[in-house]
Amino acid sequence: EMQLVESGGGLVKPGGSLRLSCAASGFRFSDLWLTWVRQAPGKGPEWVGRIKSKNGGGTTDYATPVEGRFTISRDDSKSTLYLHMSSLKTDDTAVYYCTTDVPFTGGGAIRHWGQGTLVTVSS
Amino acid sequence: DIVMTQSPDSLAVSLGERATINCKSSQSVLHNSDSKNYLSWYQQKPGQPPKLLIYWASTRESGVPDRFSGSGSGTDFTLTINSLQTEDVAVYYCQQYYTIPFTFGPGTKVDVK
Repeated sequence: EMQLVESGGGLVKPGGSLRLSCAASGFRFSDLWLTWVRQAPGKGPEWVGRIKSKNGGGTTDYATPVEGRFTISRDDSKSTLYLHMSSLKTDDTAVYYCTTDVPFTGGGAIRHWGQGTLVTVSS
Repeated sequence: DIVMTQSPDSLAVSLGERATINCKSSQSVLHNSDSKNYLSWYQQKPGQPPKLLIYWASTRESGVPDRFSGSGSGTDFTLTINSLQTEDVAVYYCQQYYTIPFTFGPGTKVDVK
């Protein structure tokens, strides 16, 4: 069974940092293009960024609001995806989902979602 | 960024009737190289992550009932739910994956009349 399990969420003060993890199972992890999507309370989903497979170049792309503050990385040996978040703002408060796509959609059509981890940025 | 808009914001449909949701992108999401529309639809119920219904604008995801269908091309798209069931009560989102950043519409809430 394909599964994505996020962890690392919690309460953090504005300006602080946090690292989210996503453990994958049931996939050939190294082949995956992986994406973080977040959803603020009562709002729609927001694409945060993606990381390509190493065969696909291993590069990352980010949404403008998080560019320069968030970093996506992966450890294929551990089948784990990471989201390093720094300079956090109250607007970053959201449930963060780890996701994978329908093959050959460039990380776009999101087929698998984790259960999400809540990040709350508040003083 | 490509801006996605949806209409209506919400609708209530009688059980067994048709629900139609519209999605518009601020620029075309039709890729000339493969003639595919880079557009997907999701269903989200409270407390759950979104669920993929449709991709490539009209390809139904495996396991999705055939009362769900997607249509449209370029900048204008439609999600149709034929014969609405109680389990279809949810918020529906469209999303473009034509260009980074991939963007979602604001959502349409579907309820039973």
